[in-house]
Amino acid sequence: EVKLVESGGGLVQPGRSLKLSCAASGFSFNDYWMGWVRQAPGKGLEWIGEINQDSSTINYTPSLKDKFTISRDNAQNTLYLQMSKLGSEDTAIYYCARGGYSAPFDYWGQGVMVTVSS
Amino acid sequence: DIQMTQSPSVLSASVGDRVTLSCKASQNINKNLDWYQQKLGEAPKLLIYFTNNLQTGIPSRFSGSGSGTDYTLTISSLQPEDVATYFCFQYNSGWTFGGGTKLELK
Repeated sequence: EVKLVESGGGLVQPGRSLKLSCAASGFSFNDYWMGWVRQAPGKGLEWIGEINQDSSTINYTPSLKDKFTISRDNAQNTLYLQMSKLGSEDTAIYYCARGGYSAPFDYWGQGVMVTVSS
Repeated sequence: DIQMTQSPSVLSASVGDRVTLSCKASQNINKNLDWYQQKLGEAPKLLIYFTNNLQTGIPSRFSGSGSGTDYTLTISSLQPEDVATYFCFQYNSGWTFGGGTKLELK
């Protein structure tokens, strides 16, 4: 069974950093692109970015390119999202998903909440 | 940047109705479009990929169509469990979700 489990969320002060993890199981992690999507409270979905199998290609939505960094550890079957200079606008549920490039996001994690507030 | 406009933003329909949701792109996206369903409090779920391909396990009452800038998700006979918000997503040039259509029961 494919499973994606995000962790690392919580309450963080404005201007600080936070790193999210997404633990994958039930499939060959290093065969797939992976991505991150977020959803602000009561709002729609926002594509954050994606990473290919060997981390040689990483794409970001332009507005987040200088704040967020996507990485992966294939040995640990884990996807990461490093977020810096956080502001209130980054308060959202963050989802990891399997897929990317031309492949649809066919499996999603349950999401992890990040709240940016003093 | 390609903008994706979904209409209507809210749709009320009765069980058994044929329902059509629209997604319009600001430029040609060459059928590079997926549809996702999100029920309240849950993660999104893939319904349709590359315009008209039904994801495994999704009921056949869901179908997708379109080309160029105009795309449609159709539910042939609405069921109570279809109450959700539906998002289109383009990946032809950049990556953009539509704003969503909230589907309610009348």
